Amino acid sequence: DAGITQSPRHKVTETGTPVTLRCHQTENHRYMYWYRQDPGHGLRLIHYSYGVKDTDKGEVSDGYSVSRSKTEDFLLTLESATSSQTSVYFCAISPAGAGNEQFFGPGTRLTVL
Amino acid sequence: KNQVEQSPQSLIILEGKNCTLQCNYTVSPFSNLRWYKQDTGRGPVSLTIMTFSENTKSNGRYTATLDADTKQSSLHITASQLSDSASYICVVNMNRDDKIIFGKGTRLHILP
Repeated sequence: DAGITQSPRHKVTETGTPVTLRCHQTENHRYMYWYRQDPGHGLRLIHYSYGVKDTDKGEVSDGYSVSRSKTEDFLLTLESATSSQTSVYFCAISPAGAGNEQFFGPGTRLTVL
Repeated sequence: KNQVEQSPQSLIILEGKNCTLQCNYTVSPFSNLRWYKQDTGRGPVSLTIMTFSENTKSNGRYTATLDADTKQSSLHITASQLSDSASYICVVNMNRDDKIIFGKGTRLHILP
């Protein structure tokens, strides 16, 4: 998986609790992305980062925040998890913009009860 | 509206047979189109990229085609193997605002 790890790989939590997912890369790529994947929707962009402390919203950013304090780490936080945020979350990295090949992590399966 | 539509949604074929997956897009302006393969429980992996000027590109048993005039792409798999069972995702790069559009994918099942 191209030097990308995600943690945790699986998580079950309750509605209303905060959750943080971590993406770690060893490739020194500039761009990092968070996606969610749901049946019938395909991959949808939540947030992305184009450098340390530089982030922007994707198409489904409501209820999510991100932070990137180091090149290698990109954190996704659900401030107060809801059942609609039950999904598989993928992190991706790219040396340049989104039009370049993205390398995806193994995914995190999150269940919000 | 910028969209990427893939067909069929799912496909079942016997091992050794060929198949073709379709991707139609309405994205503009167009920069490139990429096919990803996603095995169950894993992240997508790029198979091939097609730019505006390319009509055909092969990667082993995978051959992608692009018709930029009709805004259609196809992914042909020759002599399918059990390991080809996966989802195949078509992704179009808009060449504007660093934006890409994902298709919902085709789920391919290869039966022995």
